[in-house]
Amino acid sequence: GNSVTQMEGPVTLSEEAFLTINCTYTATGYPSLFWYVQYPGEGLQLLLKATKADDKGSNKGFEATYRKETTSFHLEKGSVQVSDSAVYFCALSVSAGGTSYGKLTFGQGTILTVHP
Amino acid sequence: SQTIHQWPATLVQPVGSPLSLECTVEGTSNPNLYWYRQAAGRGLQLLFYSVGIGQISSEVPQNLSASRPQDRQFILSSKKLLLSDSGFYLCAWSATGAQKPRGELFFGEGSRLTVL
Repeated sequence: GNSVTQMEGPVTLSEEAFLTINCTYTATGYPSLFWYVQYPGEGLQLLLKATKADDKGSNKGFEATYRKETTSFHLEKGSVQVSDSAVYFCALSVSAGGTSYGKLTFGQGTILTVHP
Repeated sequence: SQTIHQWPATLVQPVGSPLSLECTVEGTSNPNLYWYRQAAGRGLQLLFYSVGIGQISSEVPQNLSASRPQDRQFILSSKKLLLSDSGFYLCAWSATGAQKPRGELFFGEGSRLTVL
């Protein structure tokens, strides 16, 4: 089956520090990979995605590269801000028979807290 | 543009009472629809998904049920709530067929249910 394993949290950083949240996966077929962010009291928002090996997704200073050889999709940001404090979810989806298939498998989430 | 709304945003219900959470999507047709539950503010568990009107798949056995009476309407229900039903419920949709983006989920704002 499909699964996603995320770095255990919580992660606490000072403003302008470098961020890495590790994510590895197992999947049948060729997954698309996603990072979602959940701000306090809100639903999830897509942060970035990559649909094939070696693709790099990026948004709001965050980046993640689809590494097929290591089955990883680690999230990075060079300089975090207080406003980045949130829960981050790694996720994958696998297309079935070439059709769109949005049933995502999520990691357990990583809480990030950034202090001024 | 597509939008998704779910309500109510907050609900406090006694044990044994019924539940109805509603979700509607606008700006797209024949979406896949999903209900997720997030317990203890962290992991996401897929409860139900639907690929069309009247077509519901349940991912886990539980006290809840789902219905899709219209193409863009998805309802989560219970006849008698349990304490363990407390949590943050998220509705989501994804594109189907030739529509894009593929594999990506778009989430509603969430409904927080507290069962006392």
